[in-house]
Amino acid sequence: DSGVTQTPKHLITATGQRVTLRCSPRSGDLSVYWYQQSLDQGLQFLIQYYNGEERAKGNILERFSAQQFPDLHSELNLSSLELGDSALYFCASSPEVTGSTDTQYFGPGTRLTVL
Amino acid sequence: GQNIDQPTEMTATEGAIVQINCTYQTSGFNGLFWYQQHAGEAPTFLSYNVLDGLEEKGRFSSFLSRSKGYSYLLLKELQMKDSASYLCAVFNDSWGKLQFGAGTQVVVTP
Repeated sequence: DSGVTQTPKHLITATGQRVTLRCSPRSGDLSVYWYQQSLDQGLQFLIQYYNGEERAKGNILERFSAQQFPDLHSELNLSSLELGDSALYFCASSPEVTGSTDTQYFGPGTRLTVL
Repeated sequence: GQNIDQPTEMTATEGAIVQINCTYQTSGFNGLFWYQQHAGEAPTFLSYNVLDGLEEKGRFSSFLSRSKGYSYLLLKELQMKDSASYLCAVFNDSWGKLQFGAGTQVVVTP
């Protein structure tokens, strides 16, 4: 158990809908990262927040957005869902902003299925 | 950008040794991580290298050569539970993010 929690564990929804995924980082960690993992794409970095502010952006679609709240939990919002958005979504956390010594610890993930 | 290459799959026998290679091309290199991921589960941290050389942690060791853009993960005394995907990930200061390879699926047979 990494100490990172994610809810829900599974989510099934229809195309065109909007969902919110939630992540609570490890106690004391200020950075939260979101990743998408689909069968054909591997683990893709989406976005990072540090202490409430966006710090780095990866291949995140405009239909997706995220935020980090004052209590440091984070939410990833996915809208106008398409079949291709079906994937495992992982949240990870680390103590600081960036840095080579900053190991990221992953949550159990949310499996999103878009029908 | 950066390219990270690792073999797709490797098979080895219980008790044996397997070496998973990872090559990368990147500017602003600032560390290489190895993660283990069982199917449908979260990646779990195995090792971290930022300087050249070998880091040993029990049955797992990781090696880095920055001049060659090369790392390997060595798994010794393989156990059935080691069957998993092993992800090589490079941290790039310029990009400010961790870039993952596609993963190497290791299959351990009895």
